[in-house]
Amino acid sequence: DIVMTQSPVSLPVTPGEPASISCRSSQTLLHSNGYNYLDWYLQRPGQSPQLLIYMASKRASGVPDRFSGSGSGTDFTLKISRVEAEDVGVYYCTQALEIRTFGQGTRVE
Amino acid sequence: EVQLVESGGGLVQPGRSLTLSCTVSGSTFGDDAMAWLRQAPGKGLEWVGFIRSEAYGGTTQYAASVKGRFTISRDDSKSIAYLQMNSLKTEDTAVYYCSRLDFYFYYYMDVWGKGTTVTVSS
Repeated sequence: DIVMTQSPVSLPVTPGEPASISCRSSQTLLHSNGYNYLDWYLQRPGQSPQLLIYMASKRASGVPDRFSGSGSGTDFTLKISRVEAEDVGVYYCTQALEIRTFGQGTRVE
Repeated sequence: EVQLVESGGGLVQPGRSLTLSCTVSGSTFGDDAMAWLRQAPGKGLEWVGFIRSEAYGGTTQYAASVKGRFTISRDDSKSIAYLQMNSLKTEDTAVYYCSRLDFYFYYYMDVWGKGTTVTVSS
C-alpha cells in the first residue's frame, strides 16, 4: 500500500493569515501520463468530507481561489492564502494511483 | 444538485450481516461510478471500495480489509448503490459514506452523502 503522511498533525491558524499543509507519499504519484494522482479533502466539524483539489492542483467546482495545491512525485502542499473562519476542520490528502489510501489528517483550528 | 442519502446503519452483532443503501438524486445515476468509504470513531478516512457504471462493466474494487466480506452492487432503475457487509467485525464500526465518483484520468470523490453509522458489538 502507498502510505500517505501529512504534516503537521495540528495547525493553529489566524484569520487572514496564510496556512500550509504538507503531504508526502511513500512512492511517486506521478503517472506516466504526466498527472499526479492526488486529491485534497476538507472535513468540517460534524460534516462529511468535501473535495477541494484533484490532480494535485486543480480546484474543484465552487472551491474558493484562496485554496491552492502544488507539488509532484512524492511531495505535495495545500495552501490557504488567507484563512477564514469557515476553513477550520480536518484536511486529508489521498492518492488514487493504487487502491485509495489517505493521510492521517491535519486539524486546522 | 446531486444528493446522496445513506441508510441502513445500526447496531449489529459480530459475525452478522448488514446492507447499506445509498440513494442518489439529481444526477444520471447510470452514468456514475459510486464509492463507499468509512470513518471509525475519532479516526481518519478509509476507502472501502467502488463500483463502475454498467457502461464500464459494473466492475468492483475493494480494500484488502473488506475484500471477501463486503460486496458493492447497484440498481440503476432505482438510483441506489448498495454495500452488503457480511461476517462483520468490531473493527468495522464506523460512519459509512457513499460518494459519487467523477472521472478525469482517474476516479475522485466529488459528492458525498452525510453518512450512516454502523456499530458492531455484542
